[in-house]
Order: sequence, then structure tokens, then C-alpha cells
Amino acid sequence: DAKTTQPTSMDCAEGRAANLPCNHSTISGNEYVYWYRQIHSQGPQYIIHGLKNNETNEMASLIITEDRKSSTLILPHATLRDTAVYYCIVRKIYGGSQGNLIFGKGTKLSVKP
Amino acid sequence: DTAVSQTPKYLVTQMGNDKSIKCEQNLGHDTMYWYKQDSKKFLKIMFSYNNKELIINETVPNRFSPKSPDKAHLNLHINSLELGDSAVYFCASSQVFLAGDQDTQYFGPGTRLTVL
Repeated sequence: DAKTTQPTSMDCAEGRAANLPCNHSTISGNEYVYWYRQIHSQGPQYIIHGLKNNETNEMASLIITEDRKSSTLILPHATLRDTAVYYCIVRKIYGGSQGNLIFGKGTKLSVKP
Repeated sequence: DTAVSQTPKYLVTQMGNDKSIKCEQNLGHDTMYWYKQDSKKFLKIMFSYNNKELIINETVPNRFSPKSPDKAHLNLHINSLELGDSAVYFCASSQVFLAGDQDTQYFGPGTRLTVL
């Protein structure tokens, strides 16, 4: 079962920042926060991941609270092509089935003109 | 170049038939996976293979048999297809098997299987 809670859906205006929240209140010290997205009729796409520090790459920024119980994915300038389902996933840093990606329902982000 | 590719993209077949889905990755990764996404859009892992060896089988019926002829390929063979097998099947690969910083998974475009 997914160990994260995300809003079912969100809207964002094109060109504005999209802030997608995720609660993971039961996260343990050896678990990373991963974000993937799935654009309609495509395979999931990796976005970013982090352990406890904030992270930024060419796609997005990940802000993790100090207690690590929640995080926010930020798309700084959302475009229509960012319309997708965004999955926040918590996974252990070991191997085996404990390290499986477990996808929940995600947040359906709709970017509007 | 496509990093993870699957064939076919669409597969329509009758109940009881046997079918295969092929997956290839050109990323030089050691680990490959099969996922199933059902009609409710839940995405669940089925198998993990590391260096051609089965690592994880998430209680998938034995009608599903993955085969890895080499590290770049992981095919999924399904025997005696049932209506409930209708879904989108995604292949994925990662550089290494252990979780953490080194095993970001890259997904293929999916194969939509419809069993009539």
C-alpha cells in the first residue's frame, strides 16, 4: 500500500508555478521521497527524488520539510505539457521488495491556458 | 533513440490464447521490471530481474512467465489469457537493483492488452 497522501486533483494556470503537496507522516529515516509523473497514454517518467535536503533539477524542485513528514514538488513554470498524474512515492534505500516503487492514486494536475 | 521500448503497443486476443510482450532497453542497465496498470489506473509491480535472474515475483499467477535472454531484454509470456489480464503492461529498467540513489527507473511506453 502507498504510504503517501496526495490531493486527487489540482489546477494550475499556464506559466505559473505548480506546487504539488504530499504527506508521508510515517516515513522512516531510511526512506527516500520519489516523484514520478504519467502523461496520458505514456509510461511513468521520473522527475526527482530526495532524502532530507531540498533538491532541484532541470524539471522541478523538491522541498522536504525538516521533520520529513511532507514534501512539495514545484514545477516553476507549468506548461500544457505538464498536464499529467503526479505520483509521490516513499521507498526504502535497501534492495529487495522493500525497495519497490509502490504507486498510489497520485494527483491529477491540469494546466490550463 | 528510445531508451526502453516495448512491442507490440496494442494486443487484442481471445481468452485462452498465449501471447508475448517484448521489452528492450538500450541504457546498459542491469535491472528490468514488469508493471501492470489496471482499468482503475493502479500501477503495480509484477517482476524484477537483475542480470537476467528473477529477483522479485509479486505473487503473480504462474500463467505469467518472464524471460530474460540477456540483460537488455525482458519478455513477458502469458499463457491461457483471462479477461482480467486486460490492462496496460509497462516494462522498466534501472541501472542497478538496490534502492536509493542509483536505481531510478525508466519506463517504456506500455502495451495495451485487451482480452475478449
